[in-house]
Amino acid sequence: GENVEQHPSTLSVQEGDSAVIKCTYSDSASNYFPWYKQELGKGPQLIIDIRSNVGEKKDQRIAVTLNKTAKHFSLHITETQPEDSAVYFCAASFSGGGADGLTFGKGTHLIIQP
Amino acid sequence: DGGITQSPKYLFRKEGQNVTLSCEQNLNHDAMYWYRQDPGQGLRLIYYSQIVNDFQKGDIAEGYSVSREKKESFPLTVTSAQKNPTAFYLCASTFSGQGYSGELFFGEGSRLTVL
Repeated sequence: GENVEQHPSTLSVQEGDSAVIKCTYSDSASNYFPWYKQELGKGPQLIIDIRSNVGEKKDQRIAVTLNKTAKHFSLHITETQPEDSAVYFCAASFSGGGADGLTFGKGTHLIIQP
Repeated sequence: DGGITQSPKYLFRKEGQNVTLSCEQNLNHDAMYWYRQDPGQGLRLIYYSQIVNDFQKGDIAEGYSVSREKKESFPLTVTSAQKNPTAFYLCASTFSGQGYSGELFFGEGSRLTVL
């Protein structure tokens, strides 16, 4: 089955700096790669996703890049703000959206220092 | 407002007892999922269901059971056979079939503690 590795497990950055979280996946058939943000005591929420026919996608301060050859994808957050502090999860799926569920990475705790 | 409701939010159980976690959605989603979250372990799939009266085991189904008698409801029972049940449990749902986006919508979670 699919295996997703996520790094780092904890990331501390100064407010206003950029943050990058990286993930690798094992199954070359995977074609859907979402990122979820989880605030304390809440369920995860989708913040951005990318499909295998696209190399990069942006949404305001957030961007995701995908390298299918290397089987890795990354989340980039620019101009970080205190409300960006949360746990971020990457995930991968073969079925184009996870009818049989997503395989998640172990998460990155992002800490924004004032 | 549409969404997914999990209850209870906190639950304490003695060893040897079964406990059932509720998950209800009014989003008209076909597929529903149960994930378990442990510190530093990410989210691991327990069971999922793509249609009423049908469900499949995920990666860590041992010691758990589910039912899907109604489209809106997907309860999870943590049985006494589950060796380490203390965890945060998340229910999710999505559309399935042609044209769906793939986004999973999560509930707020249920924290189970075994005393």
